[in-house]
Amino acid sequence: DTGVSQDPRHKITKRGQNVTFRCDPISEHNRLYWYRQTLGQGPEFLTYFQNEAQLEKSRLLSDRFSAERPKGSFSTLEIQRTEQGDSAMYLCASSLRELGGYTFGSGTRLTVV
Amino acid sequence: DAKTTQPNSMESNEEEPVHLPCNHSTISGTDYIHWYRQLPSQGPEYVIHGLTSNVNNRMASLAIAEDRKSSTLILHRATLRDAAVYYCILRGDAGNMLTFGGGTRLMVKP
Repeated sequence: DTGVSQDPRHKITKRGQNVTFRCDPISEHNRLYWYRQTLGQGPEFLTYFQNEAQLEKSRLLSDRFSAERPKGSFSTLEIQRTEQGDSAMYLCASSLRELGGYTFGSGTRLTVV
Repeated sequence: DAKTTQPNSMESNEEEPVHLPCNHSTISGTDYIHWYRQLPSQGPEYVIHGLTSNVNNRMASLAIAEDRKSSTLILHRATLRDAAVYYCILRGDAGNMLTFGGGTRLMVKP
C-alpha cells in the first residue's frame, strides 16, 4: 500500500495527558499537511510542511500543539495537556506539487475523557 | 481563498445521474475548482479539478459555467458507494492548503 498511513487509528486518553500521532506520507511527496475534523464539519487546516520545514501554522494550533517532520519524511503531531475540546479526527495529507491534489490518510480519532 | 456555497444535502437514486452544484461568485481568474469527497470514517479523496473547460475522468465530470461563477460535479450513475460528503474548493496560486467548507452530503437510495 503506497497511500498515506496514520497511526494509531484510534486513541482514547484522559484529560491532561500528552498524545502523539504519526503520519507516513507517500514517499515521493515533499508536502505534508495536518488537518483536524470535528463531527459534522469539514476538515480544518492546522499546519503544513515542505520537506522538513514547517512553513505555515493555523491560529488553531495553540501552544499545546507541536508538529515535526525531522527528516522530511514522516511527521508527528503532539498534543500536550489534552483537553476535551481536542477530541476530533486528526487527518494527515501529502502532495507532490504546490497545487497538486492531496492524498489523505484515514485519520486518527482522538477521544479525550 | 474565495468562498463556495453548496447545498447541505442531496438525495439520489442508485444508477441515476447526480448533479452536485457549487456557487463561487467571487472566484478569481487564477482559481482552480477542486472537488473532494469523504466517505464515512475515511479521509477526503480527490475527485476532479478544472479551471475553465469541462473536465472528465473515471470518477466524474466537472461542468464549469462560462462565467466561472458556478460549477457542477456530475456522477453519471450513482452507486451506493458514492454516498459521501462532497466538497467544492477553490484553490489559487496564493495558498498552499485546501480550505474546506461544509460540503454536500449525498445520500444514495437503492
